[in-house]
Amino acid sequence: AQRVTQPEKLLSVFKGAPVELKCNYSYSGSPELFWYVQYSRQRLQLLLRHISRESIKGFTADLNKGETSFHLKKPFAQEEDSAMYYCALSRLTGGGNKLTFGTGTQLKVEL
Amino acid sequence: EAGVTQFPSHSVIEKGQTVTLRCDPISGHDNLYWYRRVMGKEIKFLLHFVKESKQDESGMPNNRFLAERTGGTYSTLKVQPAELEDSGVYFCASSQPRTGGKADTQYFGPGTRLTVL
Repeated sequence: AQRVTQPEKLLSVFKGAPVELKCNYSYSGSPELFWYVQYSRQRLQLLLRHISRESIKGFTADLNKGETSFHLKKPFAQEEDSAMYYCALSRLTGGGNKLTFGTGTQLKVEL
Repeated sequence: EAGVTQFPSHSVIEKGQTVTLRCDPISGHDNLYWYRRVMGKEIKFLLHFVKESKQDESGMPNNRFLAERTGGTYSTLKVQPAELEDSGVYFCASSQPRTGGKADTQYFGPGTRLTVL
Protein backbone atom coordinates (compact mmCIF):
# COMPACT_ATOMS: atom_id res chain seq x y z
CA ALA A 1 0.00 0.00 0.00
CA GLN A 2 1.19 3.51 -0.71
CA ARG A 3 1.90 5.92 2.08
CA VAL A 4 3.15 9.50 2.35
CA THR A 5 4.82 10.79 5.48
CA GLN A 6 5.39 14.41 6.39
CA PRO A 7 7.13 14.29 9.75
CA GLU A 8 6.71 17.95 10.68
CA LYS A 9 3.31 19.39 11.54
CA LEU A 10 4.73 22.88 11.86
CA LEU A 11 7.86 24.45 10.50
CA SER A 12 8.76 27.96 11.53
CA VAL A 13 11.56 29.87 9.78
CA PHE A 14 12.67 33.47 9.51
CA LYS A 15 12.28 35.45 6.31
CA GLY A 16 15.29 34.92 4.09
CA ALA A 17 16.22 31.60 5.69
CA PRO A 18 16.28 28.37 3.68
CA VAL A 19 13.25 26.10 3.84
CA GLU A 20 13.03 22.35 3.55
CA LEU A 21 9.73 20.56 3.94
CA LYS A 22 10.24 16.85 4.25
CA CYS A 23 8.27 14.18 2.47
CA ASN A 24 8.90 10.44 2.38
CA TYR A 25 6.82 7.92 0.55
CA SER A 26 6.34 4.20 0.19
CA TYR A 27 5.00 2.80 -3.04
CA SER A 28 5.66 -0.44 -4.86
CA GLY A 29 5.29 1.00 -8.35
CA SER A 30 6.82 3.93 -10.16
CA PRO A 31 5.66 6.98 -8.22
CA GLU A 32 4.47 10.32 -9.44
CA LEU A 33 4.71 12.91 -6.70
CA PHE A 34 3.24 16.33 -6.14
CA TRP A 35 3.34 19.20 -3.73
CA TYR A 36 0.05 20.98 -3.08
CA VAL A 37 -0.28 24.22 -1.15
CA GLN A 38 -3.20 25.82 0.66
CA TYR A 39 -2.83 29.50 1.51
CA SER A 40 -5.03 31.01 4.19
CA ARG A 41 -8.67 31.16 3.08
CA GLN A 42 -7.82 29.74 -0.33
CA ARG A 43 -8.34 26.36 -1.93
CA LEU A 44 -5.83 23.60 -2.29
CA GLN A 45 -3.72 24.14 -5.40
CA LEU A 46 -0.94 22.35 -7.17
CA LEU A 47 2.49 23.82 -6.48
CA LEU A 48 4.68 21.46 -8.46
CA ARG A 49 5.04 17.90 -9.69
CA HIS A 50 8.24 15.93 -9.90
CA ILE A 51 7.75 14.99 -13.52
CA SER A 52 7.93 18.63 -14.59
CA ARG A 53 11.25 19.25 -12.89
CA GLU A 54 10.50 22.96 -12.65
CA SER A 55 10.79 25.68 -10.05
CA ILE A 56 7.59 27.34 -8.95
CA LYS A 57 7.67 30.46 -6.75
CA GLY A 58 11.29 29.60 -6.03
CA PHE A 59 10.44 26.13 -4.76
CA THR A 60 12.01 22.96 -6.11
CA ALA A 61 11.64 19.30 -5.23
CA ASP A 62 13.75 16.39 -6.38
CA LEU A 63 12.56 12.83 -6.35
CA ASN A 64 15.11 10.60 -4.65
CA LYS A 65 14.08 7.03 -5.29
CA GLY A 66 16.91 5.61 -3.21
CA GLU A 67 15.77 7.47 -0.13
CA THR A 68 12.10 7.45 -1.21
CA SER A 69 11.94 11.16 -0.57
CA PHE A 70 10.51 14.22 -2.29
CA HIS A 71 11.54 17.12 -0.09
CA LEU A 72 10.41 20.64 -0.98
CA LYS A 73 13.08 23.32 -0.84
CA LYS A 74 13.43 27.04 -1.21
CA PRO A 75 16.69 28.89 -0.61
CA PHE A 76 15.17 32.08 0.80
CA ALA A 77 11.77 32.03 2.49
CA GLN A 78 9.33 34.88 1.92
CA GLU A 79 6.47 35.95 4.15
CA GLU A 80 3.96 35.01 1.43
CA ASP A 81 5.19 31.41 1.57
CA SER A 82 3.36 30.92 4.85
CA ALA A 83 0.78 28.22 4.12
CA MET A 84 -0.10 24.56 4.56
CA TYR A 85 1.90 22.26 2.31
CA TYR A 86 0.83 18.75 1.36
CA CYS A 87 2.93 16.13 -0.32
CA ALA A 88 0.93 13.70 -2.45
CA LEU A 89 1.55 10.52 -4.38
CA SER A 90 -0.42 9.58 -7.44
CA ARG A 91 -1.72 6.14 -8.30
CA LEU A 92 -3.32 5.62 -11.66
CA THR A 93 -6.95 4.57 -11.71
CA GLY A 94 -9.22 4.16 -14.71
CA GLY A 95 -8.17 7.14 -16.78
CA GLY A 96 -7.34 9.37 -13.85
CA ASN A 97 -5.22 9.24 -10.74
CA LYS A 98 -6.09 9.12 -7.09
CA LEU A 99 -3.90 11.03 -4.73
CA THR A 100 -2.56 9.81 -1.42
CA PHE A 101 -1.75 12.79 0.77
CA GLY A 102 0.53 13.30 3.71
CA THR A 103 -0.82 14.97 6.83
CA GLY A 104 0.61 18.31 5.77
CA THR A 105 3.17 20.75 7.16
CA GLN A 106 2.22 24.25 8.23
CA LEU A 107 4.98 26.61 7.17
CA LYS A 108 5.22 29.85 9.07
CA VAL A 109 7.64 32.48 7.84
CA GLU A 110 8.43 35.05 10.49
CA LEU A 111 9.81 38.52 9.94
CA GLU B 1 -12.73 30.44 -16.17
CA ALA B 2 -14.74 29.42 -13.11
CA GLY B 3 -13.06 26.94 -10.84
CA VAL B 4 -14.54 23.95 -9.09
CA THR B 5 -17.43 25.00 -6.90
CA GLN B 6 -18.93 23.21 -3.93
CA PHE B 7 -22.15 23.73 -2.07
CA PRO B 8 -22.76 24.28 0.77
CA SER B 9 -19.59 25.70 2.26
CA HIS B 10 -20.68 24.61 5.73
CA SER B 11 -23.28 22.17 6.97
CA VAL B 12 -24.21 21.40 10.55
CA ILE B 13 -26.58 18.49 11.06
CA GLU B 14 -27.57 16.10 13.80
CA LYS B 15 -26.62 12.49 13.95
CA GLY B 16 -29.07 10.42 11.95
CA GLN B 17 -29.96 13.16 9.50
CA THR B 18 -29.20 13.19 5.80
CA VAL B 19 -26.93 15.63 4.05
CA THR B 20 -26.21 16.09 0.35
CA LEU B 21 -23.07 17.81 -0.83
CA ARG B 22 -22.76 19.14 -4.35
CA CYS B 23 -19.76 19.66 -6.61
CA ASP B 24 -19.67 21.48 -9.93
CA PRO B 25 -16.46 20.68 -11.79
CA ILE B 26 -14.68 22.87 -14.28
CA SER B 27 -16.54 22.73 -17.58
CA GLY B 28 -15.16 20.04 -19.86
CA HIS B 29 -13.44 18.08 -17.11
CA ASP B 30 -14.36 14.43 -17.40
CA ASN B 31 -12.62 13.37 -14.21
CA LEU B 32 -14.24 14.18 -10.90
CA TYR B 33 -12.87 13.13 -7.53
CA TRP B 34 -14.14 13.29 -3.97
CA TYR B 35 -11.75 13.46 -1.02
CA ARG B 36 -12.27 13.91 2.70
CA ARG B 37 -10.18 15.27 5.54
CA VAL B 38 -11.26 14.17 8.99
CA MET B 39 -9.98 16.30 11.87
CA GLY B 40 -6.30 15.77 12.51
CA LYS B 41 -5.87 13.27 9.70
CA GLU B 42 -4.74 13.34 6.12
CA ILE B 43 -6.87 14.09 3.10
CA LYS B 44 -8.20 10.76 1.85
CA PHE B 45 -9.52 9.68 -1.50
CA LEU B 46 -13.17 8.63 -1.60
CA LEU B 47 -14.02 8.01 -5.24
CA HIS B 48 -13.43 8.89 -8.87
CA PHE B 49 -15.86 9.47 -11.73
CA VAL B 50 -15.10 9.56 -15.41
CA LYS B 51 -18.06 11.38 -16.87
CA GLU B 52 -21.03 9.65 -15.26
CA SER B 53 -19.28 6.36 -14.53
CA LYS B 54 -17.74 5.45 -11.20
CA GLN B 55 -14.20 4.29 -11.94
CA ASP B 56 -12.99 3.74 -8.42
CA GLU B 57 -14.97 3.95 -5.21
CA SER B 58 -12.51 2.06 -3.07
CA GLY B 59 -12.23 4.92 -0.59
CA MET B 60 -15.90 5.18 0.29
CA PRO B 61 -16.14 4.46 4.03
CA ASN B 62 -19.38 2.45 4.02
CA ASN B 63 -22.78 2.17 2.40
CA ARG B 64 -24.08 5.26 4.15
CA PHE B 65 -22.26 7.24 1.47
CA LEU B 66 -23.71 7.49 -2.02
CA ALA B 67 -22.17 9.48 -4.86
CA GLU B 68 -23.77 10.24 -8.17
CA ARG B 69 -22.88 12.16 -11.27
CA THR B 70 -25.92 12.15 -13.48
CA GLY B 71 -25.23 13.35 -17.01
CA GLY B 72 -21.54 13.58 -16.33
CA THR B 73 -21.68 17.16 -15.08
CA TYR B 74 -22.14 18.00 -11.40
CA SER B 75 -21.85 15.40 -8.69
CA THR B 76 -23.58 14.87 -5.38
CA LEU B 77 -22.38 13.03 -2.31
CA LYS B 78 -25.12 11.97 0.07
CA VAL B 79 -24.54 10.78 3.61
CA GLN B 80 -27.51 8.92 5.07
CA PRO B 81 -27.76 8.58 8.00
CA ALA B 82 -24.91 10.79 9.15
CA GLU B 83 -22.75 9.68 12.09
CA LEU B 84 -20.43 11.70 14.31
CA GLU B 85 -17.32 10.32 12.62
CA ASP B 86 -18.46 11.71 9.27
CA SER B 87 -17.52 15.21 10.38
CA GLY B 88 -14.76 16.72 8.32
CA VAL B 89 -14.04 18.69 5.18
CA TYR B 90 -15.16 17.16 1.91
CA PHE B 91 -13.22 18.22 -1.15
CA CYS B 92 -14.09 17.81 -4.77
CA ALA B 93 -11.54 17.98 -7.58
CA SER B 94 -11.79 17.78 -11.33
CA SER B 95 -9.37 17.26 -14.18
CA GLN B 96 -9.10 16.67 -17.87
CA PRO B 97 -8.29 13.17 -19.08
CA ARG B 98 -4.78 11.93 -18.49
CA THR B 99 -2.47 12.24 -21.48
CA GLY B 100 0.89 10.78 -22.33
CA GLY B 101 0.96 8.52 -19.31
CA LYS B 102 1.28 11.48 -16.95
CA ALA B 103 -1.06 11.97 -14.04
CA ASP B 104 -3.76 14.56 -14.62
CA THR B 105 -3.62 17.86 -12.77
CA GLN B 106 -6.47 18.01 -10.31
CA TYR B 107 -8.16 21.33 -9.51
CA PHE B 108 -9.74 21.44 -6.10
CA GLY B 109 -12.88 23.10 -4.87
CA PRO B 110 -12.98 25.07 -1.62
CA GLY B 111 -14.46 22.16 0.29
CA THR B 112 -17.60 21.63 2.35
CA ARG B 113 -17.14 21.57 6.10
CA LEU B 114 -19.56 19.04 7.56
CA THR B 115 -20.25 18.94 11.28
CA VAL B 116 -22.37 16.14 12.69
CA LEU B 117 -23.60 16.78 16.24
